[in-house]
Amino acid sequence: GDSVTQMEGPVTLSEEAFLTINCTYTATGYPSLFWYVQYPGEGLQLLLKATKADDKGSNKGFEATYRKETTSFHLEKGSVQVSDSAVYFCALNTGTASKLTFGTGTRLQVTL
Amino acid sequence: GAVVSQHPSRVICKSGTSVKIECRSLDFQATTMFWYRQFPKKSLMLMATSNEGSKATYEQGVEKDKFLINHASLTLSTLTVTSAHPEDSSFYICSAFPGGGTIGDPLHFGNGTRLTVT
Repeated sequence: GDSVTQMEGPVTLSEEAFLTINCTYTATGYPSLFWYVQYPGEGLQLLLKATKADDKGSNKGFEATYRKETTSFHLEKGSVQVSDSAVYFCALNTGTASKLTFGTGTRLQVTL
Repeated sequence: GAVVSQHPSRVICKSGTSVKIECRSLDFQATTMFWYRQFPKKSLMLMATSNEGSKATYEQGVEKDKFLINHASLTLSTLTVTSAHPEDSSFYICSAFPGGGTIGDPLHFGNGTRLTVT
């Protein structure tokens, strides 16, 4: 079955540090890949997505590239802010309008 | 656009009572909605797929008689936790696809419902 593996958190960084959150996947077929962010006490918001190999999703300074050869979709940001503190979930689905399979989530804490 | 509204955001109930959670798509029609459960510091666990006009599809291990799902219209799905117990306390999140079914359509989530059973 489909699965998503994320690096264990929490990740604690100082403001303006470089962020990488690793995500690898296994899937049948050709999945679409997503990063969602969850702020404290809230639901999930789509951060970025990629639908085919070598696509790069980007939003709010975050980027992730769909690497089929390494089955990865690592999330990066060059300079994090305190407001980026949240839980980040990597996810995939295969087919249209199908359920998402989530990774375990990685908590990011950014300090001044 | 593509707003999913979930209500209530928080609810406290006593053991043995039932609680209904509503999930509405405000500006689109959703033939399919998904209900997830999130345990503290854990990922999201898919509970069931809610299909408009038909029975929900439950994931393995989820009690269909305990977690009743009704998807009576294209904009509303409800989850009723029946005879709630403290172990049902959790964060429940609904979601839907606003698109017409294109590869890569993202799932849009409600803000979740924090259920506490005392």
